[in-house]
Amino acid sequence: GAGVSQSPSNKVTEKGKDVELRCDPISGHTALYWYRQSLGQGLEFLIYFQGNSAPDKSGLPSDRFSAERTGGSVSTLTIQRTQQEDSAVYLCASSFSSGNTIYFGEGSWLTVV
Amino acid sequence: GENVEQHPSTLSVQEGDSAVIKCTYSDSASNYFPWYKQELGKRPQLIIDIRSNVGEKKDQRIAVTLNKTAKHFSLHITETQPEDSAVYFCAASSGNNDMRFGAGTRLTVKP
Repeated sequence: GAGVSQSPSNKVTEKGKDVELRCDPISGHTALYWYRQSLGQGLEFLIYFQGNSAPDKSGLPSDRFSAERTGGSVSTLTIQRTQQEDSAVYLCASSFSSGNTIYFGEGSWLTVV
Repeated sequence: GENVEQHPSTLSVQEGDSAVIKCTYSDSASNYFPWYKQELGKRPQLIIDIRSNVGEKKDQRIAVTLNKTAKHFSLHITETQPEDSAVYFCAASSGNNDMRFGAGTRLTVKP
């Protein structure tokens, strides 16, 4: 595709429900990143996939968060039993490989009520 | 893992003045240092980057300098304009790991 595509663009969910956020990276990009950005805050690293290597999950804030990348392309970030503090923009990015320019999607705005 | 620190957190300048944002990194293996600009409600977008084999790079009104020995790099914006107002993020990465970002600098250019 022309750019990194994320869905949904906006999601309002009730506390305690599970949510899935999807990222479709730029075609041919082997590296994929998830970041979280709370209102007015910085880019908090969550997880990183590079090719077929084991993902770097060191940024996931709790075991309620998980992510997978199927077939080396599309990625899904899952948040179980959502809490109000999970409310944020979840940004996905991809790059041709690690150590190169990363391109961000528009983000998924998650609100937990 | 990599740790990137960024200063200042906020910066206010008069239109036409210069702005400088500084970052330090911890991983000596890092060799790629991009800068991103994020306007309100939008995604971060790359404005300039530098690799470790050069010490300075310039693109019109923006420039980046890198000191590998001291592990710091800086963004310089000259002749600032109101449309430069945004949040700027520095980042560092090596060929083997993820991209880590600084906390961001909110730049305000007053007309």
